[in-house]
Amino acid sequence: GAVVSQHPSRVICKSGTSVKIECRSLDFQATTMFWYRQFPKKSLMLMATSNEGSKATYEQGVEKDKFLINHASLTLSTLTVTSAHPEDSSFYICSASATVAKNIQYFGAGTRLSVL
Amino acid sequence: GQNIDQPTEMTATEGAIVQINCTYQTSGFNGLFWYQQHAGEAPTFLSYNVLDGLEEKGRFSSFLSRSKGYSYLLLKELQMKDSASYLCAAYSGGYQKVTFGTGTKLQVIP
Repeated sequence: GAVVSQHPSRVICKSGTSVKIECRSLDFQATTMFWYRQFPKKSLMLMATSNEGSKATYEQGVEKDKFLINHASLTLSTLTVTSAHPEDSSFYICSASATVAKNIQYFGAGTRLSVL
Repeated sequence: GQNIDQPTEMTATEGAIVQINCTYQTSGFNGLFWYQQHAGEAPTFLSYNVLDGLEEKGRFSSFLSRSKGYSYLLLKELQMKDSASYLCAAYSGGYQKVTFGTGTKLQVIP
């Protein structure tokens, strides 16, 4: 149980385009989903927390207009990187916590974004 | 503020035991996670300690001392596949937020 699917696993795009990343909880309802960014050899940096049906809470320094988050249902959250630039290239990982056992986060496989 | 410290790298021999330490200073601390992350992959959940003491789960055990702000992950009978980064993370219930350390890269050698 507790499987989180993240898609796509890898994306290469041109500078100025937008990229959407999906995060789905497959076998549980996720009241809260988290989006992280990870730079090489660094730890996970929380970007935002999203609760189903409400606006995401962004961490300090993360541009909400740049990184659009939508949590439309209890099993799906999306992150859209708008007008991507090379400095947005990174490993993006989502996680979800269940309605029960809220503390434990289960992670998706991650999306490696490369902006040319 | 939130601060988590763990060693950057460790090397251990196949079949041996290794202990990865973690110290933390966090507001509203509720519990301590350990995750395993292989290169290029997402983290996978190993353990979550809320109370002081040692919790054993197969070859892996995790210890927590809330008064000392200290935890460790103990790996026994090391296998080559245990080579990975091990992330210590503190959960702050009041903020419903998990703060990750930078991870300890463990290399298991024959």
